[in-house]
Amino acid sequence: GAVVSQHPSRVICKSGTSVKIECRSLDFQATTMFWYRQFPKQSLMLMATSNEGSKATYEQGVEKDKFLINHASLTLSTLTVTSAHPEDSSFYICSAGTWGEKLFFGSGTQLSVL
Amino acid sequence: EDKVVQSPLSLVVHEGDTVTLNCSYEVTNFRSLLWYKQEKKAPTFLFMLTSSGIEKKSGRLSSILDKKELFSILNITATQTGDSAVYLCAVNAGKSTFGDGTTLTVKP
Repeated sequence: GAVVSQHPSRVICKSGTSVKIECRSLDFQATTMFWYRQFPKQSLMLMATSNEGSKATYEQGVEKDKFLINHASLTLSTLTVTSAHPEDSSFYICSAGTWGEKLFFGSGTQLSVL
Repeated sequence: EDKVVQSPLSLVVHEGDTVTLNCSYEVTNFRSLLWYKQEKKAPTFLFMLTSSGIEKKSGRLSSILDKKELFSILNITATQTGDSAVYLCAVNAGKSTFGDGTTLTVKP
């Protein structure tokens, strides 16, 4: 089956630093990638939709200047949390797919900001 | 605003029981409904449903979609402790909207 690789799996950083998370589709070309955030014991919350070669579409309430998304190719999307603060600590998951089809999820990144 | 509601929120059963998980939705431009199993962290795909009345089956799991009444059910028969997980329902209408999930606990 299709594989989506996400890394790092865990990152601990100091407040004020930026963190980049990568999401790669390993054996298929993903026209669309999604980024989610999940707080403990809560469902996935869609942050943004990323289409290859175009600007990401952010959900209401998600700061586009804080969560920078780049989808430069059909196999790679990155999420950069800029000037991270403790309240940004969360579990971030990406998923990749083609229009209207099932999504394949990365294994997630646990971000802890001290 | 697209909405996906799952019920029950949590469920505790014993091994061997059969469970039914529900997912209702209100979305525009429906494309598909998907079920995922989430253990530990990332969800794993179970089923994708696009047509009403056609049951999808995989081992002890099965699912069906009713596009008229706007809901889907996920059945698990002869449950095992390994079925313990959060089951997520998502509706794809251009973007995916997830329900809050049903936490299933299967006791020995």
